[in-house]
Amino acid sequence: AQKITQTQPGMFVQEKEAVTLDCTYDTSDQSYGLFWYKQPSSGEMIFLIYQGSYDEQNATEGRYSLNFQKARKSANLVISASQLGDSAMYFCAMREGPLYGGATNKLIFGTGTLLAVQP
Amino acid sequence: DAGVTQSPTHLIKTRGQQVTLRCSPKSGHDTVSWYQQALGQGPQFIFQYYEEEERQRGNFPDRFSGHQFPNYSSELNVNALLLGDSALYLCASSLFAQQKLYEQYFGPGTRLTVT
Repeated sequence: AQKITQTQPGMFVQEKEAVTLDCTYDTSDQSYGLFWYKQPSSGEMIFLIYQGSYDEQNATEGRYSLNFQKARKSANLVISASQLGDSAMYFCAMREGPLYGGATNKLIFGTGTLLAVQP
Repeated sequence: DAGVTQSPTHLIKTRGQQVTLRCSPKSGHDTVSWYQQALGQGPQFIFQYYEEEERQRGNFPDRFSGHQFPNYSSELNVNALLLGDSALYLCASSLFAQQKLYEQYFGPGTRLTVT
């Protein structure tokens, strides 16, 4: 069964430092996509970064990078130079199936990691 | 460019009642998915609508039903409400045929409280 595991319920980081949020996944599919979303207290899920299972390079988006280790089935999020506004809940998610086309957009989410950035 | 909108933002209902939540997708999007997020949990997929049909469904009872209109907006209906239905309900929109699947945008959610 498809599953996302986030083992860190909460994390603290000092402002301007880097932090790694862990995510492991389980799937028998060869084709899948991995996502990270940020959810502030307002509730809206904000897309951060995406990694396809066939992508050879680790994804990067500004201060966000995804450390993708396919053999270990891990997709950790690295946030560099943390800012106070980064304090939020972070969710790792997976989508199975073909990477192109819209057959399904079903995302399977982990339980999240609450990140607190301290000044 | 309007993003995904949901209404109402908050709702309080009594056990046994019925509720309807609404979602308007981002401009240009034609697919709507609904998720339930219980307190302290990650979102759980309820179902997805495209071309006014339910395309895929998660592990939710028939009390949860939906509809998509010709303008791509969508409704989520929950009948015979239970206390356990209290959650944040998130709507996400996307374009069915797009090439990059990370283009799925979430709305701000509707917070449903069942008493």
